[in-house]
Amino acid sequence: QQQVKQSPQSLIVQKGGISIINCAYENTAFDYFPWYQQFPGKGPALLIAIRPDVSEKKEGRFTISFNKSAKQFSLHIMDSQPGDSATYFCAASGIISGAGSYQLTFGKGTKLSVIP
Amino acid sequence: NAGVTQTPKFRILKIGQSMTLQCAQDMNHNYMYWYRQDPGMGLKLIYYSVGAGITDKGEVPNGYNVSRSTTEDFPLRLELAAPSQTSVYFCASASRDRRFLTQYFGPGTRLLVL
Repeated sequence: QQQVKQSPQSLIVQKGGISIINCAYENTAFDYFPWYQQFPGKGPALLIAIRPDVSEKKEGRFTISFNKSAKQFSLHIMDSQPGDSATYFCAASGIISGAGSYQLTFGKGTKLSVIP
Repeated sequence: NAGVTQTPKFRILKIGQSMTLQCAQDMNHNYMYWYRQDPGMGLKLIYYSVGAGITDKGEVPNGYNVSRSTTEDFPLRLELAAPSQTSVYFCASASRDRRFLTQYFGPGTRLLVL
């Protein structure tokens, strides 16, 4: 019940295209949904995040769409650029059963390659 | 602010050796975490801490130990290293702003056990 399922595992997009990464969760106690971006040899860095009371959040070329009833959320990267090539992780935050503390549950990641 | 720092950046261990991965943060965060990242497997939580003196196991704690004597430091100890512990280790710290958890990651330690 703590899983966050992410797809696709890898994605190749042409420069200028739209990259779409999808995530689904099961635990309705999750109350915060961040996306992390990781470049090779670096640690993940927070990219954008959304709360469940909002259906969409946009920051520049990056948009999160959130469907609470379907328990799904997605990251859209508009006008994708070669510099966007990285691994993207979705995550969900909430109090983990039995732990009594807030934790992030991560998806397995999507490796995005944007080709010129 | 330096954020989250980790040392060493890279280490080769022989089977059975022990080592400590260091992690420090200067953001006065209460929450700290250790993850391991294996190719295609995402981030798996090893241990976490909600404050000085308080630690708990995550998803994959076997073969590791932690301590949290100060708010700033959260070292990860590997006892009797095994090839299965070859991985990239990330430390993270977090603040909770109005219920929402924001984690900040260090640059990682790459560990190779031979």
